[in-house]
Amino acid sequence: AQSVSQHNHHVILSEAASLELGCNYSYGGTVNLFWYVQYPGQHLQLLLKYFSGDPLVKGIKGFEAEFIKSKFSFNLRKPSVQWSDTAEYFCAGLSGGYNKLIFGAGTRLAVHP
Amino acid sequence: EPEVTQTPSHQVTQMGQEVILRCVPISNHLYFYWYRQILGQKVEFLVSFYNNEISEKSEIFDDQFSVERPDGSNFTLKIRSTKLEDSAMYFCASSKEGTQDFGPGTRLLVL
Repeated sequence: AQSVSQHNHHVILSEAASLELGCNYSYGGTVNLFWYVQYPGQHLQLLLKYFSGDPLVKGIKGFEAEFIKSKFSFNLRKPSVQWSDTAEYFCAGLSGGYNKLIFGAGTRLAVHP
Repeated sequence: EPEVTQTPSHQVTQMGQEVILRCVPISNHLYFYWYRQILGQKVEFLVSFYNNEISEKSEIFDDQFSVERPDGSNFTLKIRSTKLEDSAMYFCASSKEGTQDFGPGTRLLVL
């Protein structure tokens, strides 16, 4: 079965804390993985993506993610979060070439000043 | 920077009524998608559209749903006879290759 799972549904951090959000995928073939962010009241925005090459991917706003094939993981990290990072974060995998994205359940992050 | 747009932003309808959700994808994109997110649940794929036909659809996308690209710029999702469980946020997305750009969504409430 093809699936993407996120185990942390709610995360609360203080500003300047480090962040790691887990994402695991379960499907074979070519692996294309994404992290999207949804700020309150806004639409889904792409943070970063992995298609191939360097497994450590750098995205916007200081986020990065590491693709670890042996662990089927693509965890999102940020060394020091800000209040403005409060949002919902979605891990997703591309399935079937240019077809559907399979989303994880999302992680709601709250950053307190 | 070009964006995917969607109208309306909110729609309230009575059960059994037809609704049409509209999307304008990014102009040079070739692949178009609809997703939905029921409140508190994950984003789910509904349908993908390429070369003027459906390329894949999920089991959610039954005979009550249809998609059209009527004029080369708009991409619409029609729900023929809405049910209470169709209440959700509906997202349109488009892509040129690989990365999908999402619209802001239409929040549909079926009463």
